[in-house]
Amino acid sequence: DIQVTQSPSSLAASVGDRVTITCRASQGISISLAWYQQKPGKFPKLLIYDASTLQSGVSSRFSGSGSGTDFTLTISGLQPEDVATYYCQKYNRAPPPFTFGPGTKVDIK
Amino acid sequence: EVQLLESGGGLVQPGGSLRLSCVASGFTFSSYAMNWVRQAPGKGLEWVSSISGGGLSTYYADSVKGRFTISRDNSKNTLYLQMTSLRAEDTAVYYCAKVGSSVTTYHAFDLWGQGTMVTVSS
Repeated sequence: DIQVTQSPSSLAASVGDRVTITCRASQGISISLAWYQQKPGKFPKLLIYDASTLQSGVSSRFSGSGSGTDFTLTISGLQPEDVATYYCQKYNRAPPPFTFGPGTKVDIK
Repeated sequence: EVQLLESGGGLVQPGGSLRLSCVASGFTFSSYAMNWVRQAPGKGLEWVSSISGGGLSTYYADSVKGRFTISRDNSKNTLYLQMTSLRAEDTAVYYCAKVGSSVTTYHAFDLWGQGTMVTVSS
């Protein structure tokens, strides 16, 4: 089975900082990777799919990159409303078809 | 309005059964694969099960295989999750989620419901 890991597990940064979260798949998954934002008590929101495609309506502060096994989510200019937990997810035929990373909690310093 | 609305959660004893429903609106339901994702209290997201748009193909996480059954009624725009032999570790908020592509089952989830809480406890 393909495993998905994320780092760091949590971080705190100042408003306006550039924040980078890393996701790694145990096998190559091409660009079949998504990023989600989940605020406390809310359902997850799709930010990025196909590793780097911004979902409609999502702020351009968010960007994604990578392919194969290593991926990054970047928040350019952290804002208070970005406080949330961020999850990556792989999606492809290799079992299991969908796997979420453990999450990265982002706070304001 | 494009939305998903889950129902059917509640308190059930270990070994019991429960059926969750998810009613879709605002899009052509039969064109999209659908999923169930759960989140235990204070924990991360766990994919549970998927079903293709026509309902012919289904997939399950190892943790629920043989106990949960996903199905859909495209005439009613409704997704189901039949859960049997429930365990304490099945306690979670259960979300239904739509894939973002009508071409493939394997895509990111672009629409989520609000979730329904399932508590397995004696």
